[in-house]
Amino acid sequence: DAKTTQPTSMDCAEGRAANLPCNHSTISGNEYVYWYRQIHSQGPQYIIHGLKNNETNEMASLIITEDRKSSTLILPHATLRDTAVYYCIVRVAPQGGSEKLVFGKGTKLTVNP
Amino acid sequence: EPEVTQTPSHQVTQMGQEVILRCVPISNHLYFYWYRQILGQKVEFLVSFYNNEISEKSEIFDDQFSVERPDGSNFTLKIRSTKLEDSAMYFCASKILAGVGDTQYFGPGTRLTVL
Repeated sequence: DAKTTQPTSMDCAEGRAANLPCNHSTISGNEYVYWYRQIHSQGPQYIIHGLKNNETNEMASLIITEDRKSSTLILPHATLRDTAVYYCIVRVAPQGGSEKLVFGKGTKLTVNP
Repeated sequence: EPEVTQTPSHQVTQMGQEVILRCVPISNHLYFYWYRQILGQKVEFLVSFYNNEISEKSEIFDDQFSVERPDGSNFTLKIRSTKLEDSAMYFCASKILAGVGDTQYFGPGTRLTVL
């Protein structure tokens, strides 16, 4: 899996958008960008993933640059419950294989009241 | 919404004892995983399992570890002779065999404390 680089920590005000960056400059053409988060010591929670196009779901938006070397996870209206460690993971294209997830240290997002 | 469940939530054992951690993956999922997270450290892959076989395992997953799908719903991780350094959160995950929908969903974890 391609290596990702994320800031160690970020702060965000409640109700504002949280923008979490991720660099993946060595990403290959068939590798997806996945985002998970971990609230305290709970199990990692899937947020969103994408290949080339920007993606949006009920939790977040994922913006991938045209060269695919970086991406940004956007939480449009952060709440206190969004305080968590956010992981950006790059994976090979899903093909029904047993691909493991390789977690880095992630970004510790703190949402402040 | 279907969820991965794990039992027990917390297991305390003595060093050298055997423990079995249990997971019930999402019912139509076909790939199963175990990860662990030592306190304050990264989430680490242990093993993946498909079609009643181990697909991949990490260096951590030595002879003391084994996995089993004893029936159509449970997926277990056994540690034969626990060590102090096995103390960690253990997470089970599952995914459906599909292309774009290939997302692993995690359970809440079992906290294993080895004394």
